Amino acid sequence: AQTVTQSQPEMSVQEAETVTLSCTYDTSESDYYLFWYKQPPSRQMILVIRQEAYKQQNATENRFSVNFQKAAKSFSLKISDSQLGDAAMYFCAYRRGGGANNLFFGTGTRLTVIP
Amino acid sequence: SQTIHQWPATLVQPVGSPLSLECTVEGTSNPNLYWYRQAAGRGLQLLFYSIGIDQISSEVPQNLSASRPQDRQFILSSKKLLLSDSGFYLCAWSVPPNEAFFGQGTRLTVV
Repeated sequence: AQTVTQSQPEMSVQEAETVTLSCTYDTSESDYYLFWYKQPPSRQMILVIRQEAYKQQNATENRFSVNFQKAAKSFSLKISDSQLGDAAMYFCAYRRGGGANNLFFGTGTRLTVIP
Repeated sequence: SQTIHQWPATLVQPVGSPLSLECTVEGTSNPNLYWYRQAAGRGLQLLFYSIGIDQISSEVPQNLSASRPQDRQFILSSKKLLLSDSGFYLCAWSVPPNEAFFGQGTRLTVV
């Protein structure tokens, strides 16, 4: 069974600084996808970044980047130049390739940005 | 472009009353559809997913049911609500292997 673990219930970062959110996952599959979602106070789930397991290059989206360590089954999110609007719950998610491929979520990390 | 509509946004229902939450998707065909529940301060738990009309799979045994009467319509129901059904319910769609896109959510409070 696939599991996603986020070991940091809460994190804080100073505005303009960099923060890294951790995520590990467990799977026996070779074809899968990993995602980071952001859930602001509005509770709308917003995709931040995605990573295909077959790609060695780490995904980046503007100030957001990941450190994908396939052998270690680790998928951390780095937020650079943190902004007040980055404050939210962040969820790591896993999806198996092919078929119905449901998304399995971690328990989330609440990020606070300190002005 | 694709959009997803979920309603109502908030709902307060007495214990024992029925429930119907509706979700519709526009701009795509034959999507996978999902119902998730998020308890306060916790992650998302997958309740149901559907890969096609009248094709529903349940991930956890519970007091809820789901139906997909049309390709882009997904309904979450209950005949008699329990206090433990309170939570934040999210509908989502995807076309595998792409990411899922979520509705605005429904905050359900059972009193």
